[in-house]
Amino acid sequence: GESVGLHLPTLSVQEGDNSIINCAYSNSASDYFIWYKQESGKGPQFIIDIRSNMDKRQGQRVTVLLNKTVKHLSLQIAATQPGDSAVYFCAGKSGGGADGLTFGKGTHLIIQP
Amino acid sequence: NAGVTQTPKFQVLKTGQSMTLQCAQDMNHEYMSWYRQDPGMGLRLIHYSVGAGITDQGEVPNGYNVSRSTTEDFPLRLLSAAPSQTSVYFCASSRHRAANTGELFFGEGSRLTVL
Repeated sequence: GESVGLHLPTLSVQEGDNSIINCAYSNSASDYFIWYKQESGKGPQFIIDIRSNMDKRQGQRVTVLLNKTVKHLSLQIAATQPGDSAVYFCAGKSGGGADGLTFGKGTHLIIQP
Repeated sequence: NAGVTQTPKFQVLKTGQSMTLQCAQDMNHEYMSWYRQDPGMGLRLIHYSVGAGITDQGEVPNGYNVSRSTTEDFPLRLLSAAPSQTSVYFCASSRHRAANTGELFFGEGSRLTVL
């Protein structure tokens, strides 16, 4: 199976700054990775995904970077806003689909005014 | 758009009691799953189903049963609740594996306390 983990349980950033949340994975066979955002009292929500044939993928204000050499991925949030305050999870697996998706422990992003 | 609906939102049980957490989705998703979330532990997969009549165990299946008689419903049963099952439970669904997406749609969660 896959083991994924985030580097920091908490990350504090100033509003307007860029945020970078890091995640490491253990299984070299993992080829599909996803980031989720969980706001307080709610279920996780899909943000962006990336497959191992890519190094970078961009969405709206978010970018995911994948470094297969060191088994590391990161989520970058541009111009962080108060609404970005949440817990962010990375998830990874081998093959497509959602079955058996394994999540890391999450990083709590705190936005300071 | 209802999405994934979980009931109840809150429940308190005594050790040894049984109960069922209900989960229903109206998106015609073939894949459904249950996760539990504990402080500092992230989300751990309990059971999942890739279609009606098919279920499989996840990372932490002990103490839980599931069934999938219809595409829409995926109840999670606790036959004899234990304090270690105190947690927040999330149901999630996704399109068929052939859609090749890991995008899960989560419910709002069910907070269970076992005394």
